[in-house]
Amino acid sequence: DAEITQSPRHKITETGRQVTLACHQTWNHNNMFWYRQDLGHGLRLIHYSYGVHDTNKGEVSDGYSVSRSNTEDLPLTLESAASSQTSVYFCASSPGTGATEAFFGQGTRLTVV
Amino acid sequence: QKEVEQNSGPLSVPEGAIASLNCTYSDRGSQSFFWYRQYSGKSPELIMSIYSNGDKEDGRFTAQLNKASQYVSLLIRDSQPSESATYLCAVKRSGYALNFGKGTSLLVTP
Repeated sequence: DAEITQSPRHKITETGRQVTLACHQTWNHNNMFWYRQDLGHGLRLIHYSYGVHDTNKGEVSDGYSVSRSNTEDLPLTLESAASSQTSVYFCASSPGTGATEAFFGQGTRLTVV
Repeated sequence: QKEVEQNSGPLSVPEGAIASLNCTYSDRGSQSFFWYRQYSGKSPELIMSIYSNGDKEDGRFTAQLNKASQYVSLLIRDSQPSESATYLCAVKRSGYALNFGKGTSLLVTP
């Protein structure tokens, strides 16, 4: 079955380190998204992509970057991890034109110490 | 002003009752609306989508949309304890990204 997977599921890192969270989908969806979820804030959009080589900033993009070199993957990089980036990160994808329902990966719990 | 507003709850209903979850949005141009369910420690799961004014039924779920009032609701008939979760309302932004409310916690008591 087609799916969307994130790795790792849990990560502890130190302040200042670069961290990359992986997201891989096998639906051949054009659109991919990264959200973070924090108590009191709900899901907030970090970055998104509508196709290969396309990337866009969301509402909380500072300190994060993404690149899209193929349809299946949208890795999220924290350039220099900060304690404020401790959160649960969700990757999602949607087909593209027409249907806009988004489907989520299992999430990555990141702790920055 | 938050673009998508939901009452955080908790909303407590007895087993078998109708749970009514509400959501308002600020962008009058929004066209697509979604309800997700999220269990504690899990990822959001799509329940329903609605695009036109009126009601849309799917089993025990009914989504209602009123674009004039900028209001979306989800009714769950015959609520079950296993459906105790946080329910997220999402509205499509321009483009394809979704804007989420903070969610309403639903507790269905046996």
